[in-house]
Amino acid sequence: QQQVKQSPQSLIVQKGGISIINCAYENTAFDYFPWYQQFPGKGPALLIAIRPDVSEKKEGRFTISFNKSAKQFSLHIMDSQPGDSATYFCAASIGWGKLQFGAGTQVVVTP
Amino acid sequence: ETGVTQTPRHLVMGMTNKKSLKCEQHLGHNAMYWYKQSAKKPLELMFVYSLEERVENNSVPSRFSPECPNSSHLFLHLHTLQPEDSALYLCASSQGQGNYEQYFGPGTRLTVT
Repeated sequence: QQQVKQSPQSLIVQKGGISIINCAYENTAFDYFPWYQQFPGKGPALLIAIRPDVSEKKEGRFTISFNKSAKQFSLHIMDSQPGDSATYFCAASIGWGKLQFGAGTQVVVTP
Repeated sequence: ETGVTQTPRHLVMGMTNKKSLKCEQHLGHNAMYWYKQSAKKPLELMFVYSLEERVENNSVPSRFSPECPNSSHLFLHLHTLQPEDSALYLCASSQGQGNYEQYFGPGTRLTVT
């Protein structure tokens, strides 16, 4: 049973556009929601994370929006650049160590 | 070396072979993890070690055997694997309880023939 559902599976956006990736979860005990970015040939790297007491967190061009009542959270990449082309994973965790990952979204930013 | 390193980066093995994957973290962390990454599927947590003690084993077949000799090193011993075990195996580390951020290595691409 997949605990974190991620969509879309892939996304193509023009340079300067906005990329939006959505995730939904069922377990209300999750208390940590990170996004990881993975480039080909590399392991995932933490991009940005949020806890459920905050509805939005912004770091540079990356923003997480969190909707606790809907059990959804999303990643927005503003002013998308070709260097943002990567696979993005959402995840959720109860306590340390047990990250439950979404299936990933491959983002391609065209010049 | 910095961060989390994994060797080998690529491995091809037959179903009757025995091989080991190695992970080393240079971050002073005290928790280490093995994940399996298959195409278009979520990362699957396989094993968690905290302070060199296994604290999680997610119903992984016994043909995968982890070993954590100290807080900096983690091994995954492989024997009599199946073709469906072909995947990218990722190692990660974290500072342990209370710190959620995990740092991943580049992975070992395993192909079972």
